[in-house]
Amino acid sequence: DIVMTQTPLSLSVTPGQPASIACKSSQTLLHSDGKTYLSWYVQKPGQSPQLLIYEVSNRFSGVPDRFSGSGSGTDFTLKISRVEAEDVAIYYCSQSIHLPRTFGQGTKVEIK
Amino acid sequence: QVELVQSGAEVKKPGASLKLSCKTSGYTFNSHYLHWLRQAPGQGLEWMGIINPTFGNTDYAQKFRGRFTMTMDTSTSTLYMELNNLRPEDTAVYYCARELPKALDYWGQGTLVTVSS
Repeated sequence: DIVMTQTPLSLSVTPGQPASIACKSSQTLLHSDGKTYLSWYVQKPGQSPQLLIYEVSNRFSGVPDRFSGSGSGTDFTLKISRVEAEDVAIYYCSQSIHLPRTFGQGTKVEIK
Repeated sequence: QVELVQSGAEVKKPGASLKLSCKTSGYTFNSHYLHWLRQAPGQGLEWMGIINPTFGNTDYAQKFRGRFTMTMDTSTSTLYMELNNLRPEDTAVYYCARELPKALDYWGQGTLVTVSS
C-alpha cells in the first residue's frame, strides 16, 4: 500500500497569514496516462470531508482561489495564501493512483 | 444537484451484522464509481472498498475482505454496504462517496455506527 505522510500534523496560523502543508507519498503518483493522482480534502468540525484539490493542482468547483496545490512525483504541497477563520479544519492528502486508496494522517489547522 | 444521503445511526453488539445504505440522486447512477470509507473516533480516513455501478464489480481493502460486501440497487440508485462479525473497533462514522474520477467529489453525511456490548 502507498503510505502518505503529512507534515506538520498541526498548524496555528494568524488570520491573513499564509499556511502550507506538505504531503509525501511512498511511491510516485504519476500515472502512465501522464496525470498525477494526488488530492486534498478538508474536513471541518462535525462535517463530512470535502474535495478541495484534485490531480495535484485543480481546484474543485466552488473552492476559493486562496487554496492552491503543487508538487510532482512523491512530494506535494497545499497552500492557503491568506488563512481565514472558516479554514479551521483538518486537511488530508490522498492518493488515487492505486487501490487501496490511502490518506495522510491529517493536518489540523487552527487560528491563533 | 448531486446528493448522497445515508441511512441513520446504528448501535450493534459484537458479532452482529451491519447494513448501511447510501441513496444517490442528481446524476446518472452508473456514470461514477462509488466508495465506502470510515473514520474511527478522533482518527483519520480509512478506505474500505469501491464498486463499479455499470458492472457491479468490486474491490475491497485487504483488512475487510471476507466480512465486507458492497452491493447496489440500480432501480433506486442506492449503494449498500454490509459488514459482518462486528467488533468494538468497527465503531466509526461510515461515509459513502462518489468518484470524480480519481478523486472523491461528493460525500454522504456519514453514519455513526457504535459497536458495544
